[in-house]
Formats: sequence, structure tokens, C-alpha cells
Amino acid sequence: GESVGLHLPTLSVQEGDNSIINCAYSNSASDYFIWYKQESGKGPQFIIDIRSNMDKRQGQRVTVLLNKTVKHLSLQIAATQPGDSAVYFCAEAPLSPYGNKLVFGAGTILRVKS
Amino acid sequence: DTEVTQTPKHLVMGMTNKKSLKCEQHMGHRAMYWYKQKAKKPPELMFVYSYEKLSINESVPSRFSPECPNSSLLNLHLHALQPEDSALYLCASSQDPDTFNSPLHFGNGTRLTVT
Repeated sequence: GESVGLHLPTLSVQEGDNSIINCAYSNSASDYFIWYKQESGKGPQFIIDIRSNMDKRQGQRVTVLLNKTVKHLSLQIAATQPGDSAVYFCAEAPLSPYGNKLVFGAGTILRVKS
Repeated sequence: DTEVTQTPKHLVMGMTNKKSLKCEQHMGHRAMYWYKQKAKKPPELMFVYSYEKLSINESVPSRFSPECPNSSLLNLHLHALQPEDSALYLCASSQDPDTFNSPLHFGNGTRLTVT
């Protein structure tokens, strides 16, 4: 999708609440999807991934949901903590023997209020 | 700390300078990547190396020249850059490309400023 320019979407949640970050992807040929967390001054950090033959995958405190029909991906974070504050990117990639041609979405800022 | 190490952390260079960014990983990954990230934007793919061979070049200007001396190292040589090339340059690696898609592991980047 297109970048939203200088103003990333922001999600503000209260500490302890659950967070849901959404992402619409554009390429129906994408086969692999990843969520990354990026804190200020750091590189993107892998959170969880999912392949197109699945519609849900759970990790520690995180769940990714994939709806291929509407090309929608979401990241659910349970019991959100202040340390979860960061920019979250979804990324998509088609099947490729040449390495991951991973394409990132615009990003969402998550702010956790104590 | 990440398992992908990038040096230097910060770099300021003039438009006539030649400099290199370096990246190292010891996870045995055989795919390595360069991404460019402008402020408040997502990372954008520049190059992919698969088994030490350049497999993807996303139409990057020739003033950026990648090099993969061995399976653990990735360099990005810079020459005659423009101020608009100022950005965070991220290196990443992933497992054997033949497995078709695996997560990329990123370094913390080199913050480049071109004056």
C-alpha cells in the first residue's frame, strides 16, 4: 500500500489492555507475511510470521490473523506493556527462490499509556 | 543486541567522498539484504544476495555498489552521493534461500548523512 506520508497511523492503548494493529496488503500473490516491531534508533525486530496456508498463528502474547479473501492482516498483542511502544510494520513477500523480496507496509505507531 | 552487526553506527560524508558500510552475521544465513529507510517511512529493499551472488537489484542508482565477499559479510560502497541519500541503511539476513521465505533478521542500521 501507499505510505501515509509524514503522519503514521497511531494507536494509543492503556497498559494492560489488548491491542489490535491492522494491515491491508496489496499483492494477491504474496505467500508469506511478517510483523516487525521497530523501536527508536533500532532496526526492525521480528515478532511473528504466517504463511498463506494458515489463517491464524499464536506466539507469546501475540497472535497474527490472515484473511486472504480481503487481503487483511492483523496483529493482536495481549496485555499490552509500556515496552510494546514502537512502530509496527507488516510485510509481505511472494514465493521466490531468490531470497525474500519483502515489501513493508506504511507502519503503525503503538503508544502505551501507563 | 542483534545478531546482525552493522558498522559504523553513524556516518557523515560529503558528496565527493567514497565510503563503505559494513554488515556481518554469523548465523549461517545464505541470503543477505540492504534496505534503505527514510524518516517515518518503511524500509525499502535495495539489494538481495543469495549464496553470495546478487539476485535482486531494485533499480538502485550506481552510486550505491554492493559487495558480498563471503557468506558472513556484506558491504555497501558509496560514491558521489546526494543529500537525498541521507537515510538509515539497514542490513538483514535470512536462512537458506531455497527454503522459500524465512524471517529477515535486521541489524540496527547505519545512520548516513550526506552533506
